[in-house]
Amino acid sequence: DTGVSQDPRHKITKRGQNVTFRCDPISEHNRLYWYRQTLGQGPEFLTYFQNEAQLEKSRLLSDRFSAERPKGSFSTLEIQRTEQGDSAMYLCASSLGSSGNYNEQFFGPGTRLTVL
Amino acid sequence: QKEVEQNSGPLSVPEGAIASLNCTYSDRGSQSFFWYRQYSGKSPELIMSIYSNGDKEDGRFTAQLNKASQYVSLLIRDSQPSDSATYLCAVLVWDSNSGYALNFGKGTSLLVTP
Repeated sequence: DTGVSQDPRHKITKRGQNVTFRCDPISEHNRLYWYRQTLGQGPEFLTYFQNEAQLEKSRLLSDRFSAERPKGSFSTLEIQRTEQGDSAMYLCASSLGSSGNYNEQFFGPGTRLTVL
Repeated sequence: QKEVEQNSGPLSVPEGAIASLNCTYSDRGSQSFFWYRQYSGKSPELIMSIYSNGDKEDGRFTAQLNKASQYVSLLIRDSQPSDSATYLCAVLVWDSNSGYALNFGKGTSLLVTP
């Protein structure tokens, strides 16, 4: 069994460009989460999916951010018109569900975004 | 804003000693608590979860939860240099804007010296 995978691992882009990241969760997990982490901070919640439905979206997520999870499998996170403040590690996590031990979220390796 | 507070450290302990990491949280309704370890440049790795008051032991790790005091801690026995990392406390909270989400502290940096 493989864990959560993310692609790419690193992305360098120029301000104003669009970027897209992909996350593949653990195969039997139906919940998928996106977080953003900057240096010296804990991860900050962005959004999550129950199967293909996007259930919640943090106030952090501006209109430049969009996420999809077609067919309830992999997910993509797109940032349009990137800004230097978007530079961060983007983390994906997955869990079985929402109660008891099913809450446990397992993280992928992350995508480090640098906006020049 | 539902807060999770941790001392940023660094906490320095000698090899073989017990490291004690502490966390307080503000949402009295929280029921699920987690400790993650994060090495520099890497993603968080789940090491413990705890849901009931009291202690939960797993190998060299013990998580302690006191819901009345809104306090959760992690003890690492026989600390090893390989335990040197940032330890993140996370609390599952419900928020009217974001629903259920993990709310993380900023982490405590642990340094185990040989």
